[in-house]
Amino acid sequence: DTGVSQDPRHKITKRGQNVTFRCDPISEHNRLYWYRQTLGQGPEFLTYFQNEAQLEKSRLLSDRFSAERPKGSFSTLEIQRTEQGDSAMYLCASSEKGGSSGNTIYFGEGSWLTVV
Amino acid sequence: DQQVKQNSPSLSVQEGRISILNCDYTNSMFDYFLWYKKYPAEGPTFLISISSIKDKNEDGRFTVFLNKSAKHLSLHIVPSQPGDSAVYFCAASPSGTYKYIFGTGTRLKVLA
Repeated sequence: DTGVSQDPRHKITKRGQNVTFRCDPISEHNRLYWYRQTLGQGPEFLTYFQNEAQLEKSRLLSDRFSAERPKGSFSTLEIQRTEQGDSAMYLCASSEKGGSSGNTIYFGEGSWLTVV
Repeated sequence: DQQVKQNSPSLSVQEGRISILNCDYTNSMFDYFLWYKKYPAEGPTFLISISSIKDKNEDGRFTVFLNKSAKHLSLHIVPSQPGDSAVYFCAASPSGTYKYIFGTGTRLKVLA
């Protein structure tokens, strides 16, 4: 399977704990995105990388959230001191580098986070 | 401020008929649009795209129409099939960026 891969698919954690999600993009894609989706809402943009450079971060990405893509391949999204409001599906997507914004982004299956 | 709006939270259509899903946007700088289908507990699956330089794009049973003056796009599915039952999201990307802003989705139910 050469699609976007996310791990773990489900995570239940206690409030205050740290969690980390991993994303492996489609191999030839150099852009990688993180989105968050809650019930009844569309995916909300968090951040994106081009290769290893983090080019944009949403205001939704508080200082408890950090994303990295150290070698321009896989990425991790860490949430520190989790809160119940962090419960959501965290979606990773990737796209090929193109000449303009006309790039289709392909999503992984998502990582469900439940904070209890 | 919801820049991409899907004002119909749900839609029911008989199998074999046309499904029309609508999306409105407010930012005239959006220049690329995508439609996704999402099943529960899965990630969104890409369906079809359209650039702002076009007003129509077709792929099999799926056709997307873009009306730039009205800042409106629609997804037509013909003929609708029970397997099309899912939540559909439209997404738009502002010119010069690579991020997409999503609508809140429309739940389509195709009745057999």
